[in-house]
Amino acid sequence: QVQLLQSGPEVKKPGTSVKVSCQASGLPFRLTAVQWVRQARGQPPEWIGWILVGGSETKYAQKLQGRVTISRDTSTRTTYMELSGLRAEDTAVYYCAADRNDIAWAFYWGRGTLVTVSS
Amino acid sequence: EIVLTQSPDTLSLSPGERATLSCRASQTIINNYLAWYQQKPGQPPRLLIYGVSNRAEDIPDRFSGSGSGTDFTLTISRLEPEDFAVFFCQQYETTLWTFGQGTKVDIK
Repeated sequence: QVQLLQSGPEVKKPGTSVKVSCQASGLPFRLTAVQWVRQARGQPPEWIGWILVGGSETKYAQKLQGRVTISRDTSTRTTYMELSGLRAEDTAVYYCAADRNDIAWAFYWGRGTLVTVSS
Repeated sequence: EIVLTQSPDTLSLSPGERATLSCRASQTIINNYLAWYQQKPGQPPRLLIYGVSNRAEDIPDRFSGSGSGTDFTLTISRLEPEDFAVFFCQQYETTLWTFGQGTKVDIK
């Protein structure tokens, strides 16, 4: 059974950083890319960025450029999303997502990691 | 950045009725890079349709997608009780994703 296993909830102070992990398991095939998407309560999903599984190329949403870093550890099939300079408006559920065939959409999704930014 | 505008915001229908959801893009979407997702409370989005009109794995055939250029449609032919949820369109162009604001399909 294919799963994207995400790390647990985080509570952070404004100005600090958070690093969320996403480990792929049960994969009999190779993924194309891992996407990161966040969703604030009652809002539509917001794309954060992606990293290619076959290489290390990344792409980020312009809004978050400079504050977000997506990385991966191929040995453990784990992808990381780090967001710095946290603000209250970064409070959201952060999802990783992936597809076996394409970078344009995602069939597999993690359960999400709640990141709360509060003083 | 391509902006996706979905309509209506809310669709109130009864089980057995047909649902038609619209997604309009601010620029032409080439290469059919348009997908639809369903989301229920407390769950991640679920891929329904990819490449405008292809059903994802295990998606029943009452769900169908159509459209081209800037106008796209998700149709649910006969609503089942489990179909009531929020639906998002999503596009991939110039290597970026964007989502629509969503259409909530609720029970009338």
